Amino acid sequence: QITLKESGPTLVKPTQTLTLTCTLSGFSITNSGVGVGWIRQPPGKALQWLGIIYWNDDVRYTPSLKTRLTITKDSSTNQVVLIMTDVGPVDTATYYCVHSLFRTPDVWGQGTTVSVSS
Amino acid sequence: QSVLTQPPSASGTPGQKVTISCSGSSSHVGSAYVFWFQQLPGTAPKLLISRQNQRASGVPDRFSGSKSGTSVSLAISGLRSEDEGDYYCAAWDDGLSGWVFGGGTKLTVL
Repeated sequence: QITLKESGPTLVKPTQTLTLTCTLSGFSITNSGVGVGWIRQPPGKALQWLGIIYWNDDVRYTPSLKTRLTITKDSSTNQVVLIMTDVGPVDTATYYCVHSLFRTPDVWGQGTTVSVSS
Repeated sequence: QSVLTQPPSASGTPGQKVTISCSGSSSHVGSAYVFWFQQLPGTAPKLLISRQNQRASGVPDRFSGSKSGTSVSLAISGLRSEDEGDYYCAAWDDGLSGWVFGGGTKLTVL
């Protein structure tokens, strides 16, 4: 059974760096064709794709946040990490990591809620 | 502002059929990679439909997807109270190499 679980701080101060970890279970990030994406949802708002990392280390980011995002993977721990620099109140959201196969985001983590406030 | 356009709300009574539309450019909704997600209150989105009309594993056949012109639709037949929640469409964008989403439709079961 494929599961993903996000973890990280619930509160971050403006201008700080946010680091979120997605722990994978039931599959390996090194499996051919697999991707792990990050999607966020501000309170009461729609979903927004942030980026995705693939089994072959290819990484793509949404253009509007590209300069602030880094996604990495650790095959030894089967984790994917999202780093977002210089956060602000607009980055307050629930952050989801998702399993992707053949461009299909088929399994989502439960999400982790992050508030940006001083 | 979302790339894909959905009505903000929809409603129906138990047993009825409800349809939610999603429109966008031909490069998005015309793609084979169009998805529908259900987000029940306080939970993560769940994949309902992939590739425009393929039900995800465990999704009842009350849910179906279709495409017509430059829009796709999600139909829910035999509406139940537990269907109440938010529904999102999404599509793979080759230019972005990522997903674009609709703004979501809040479904109310009256």
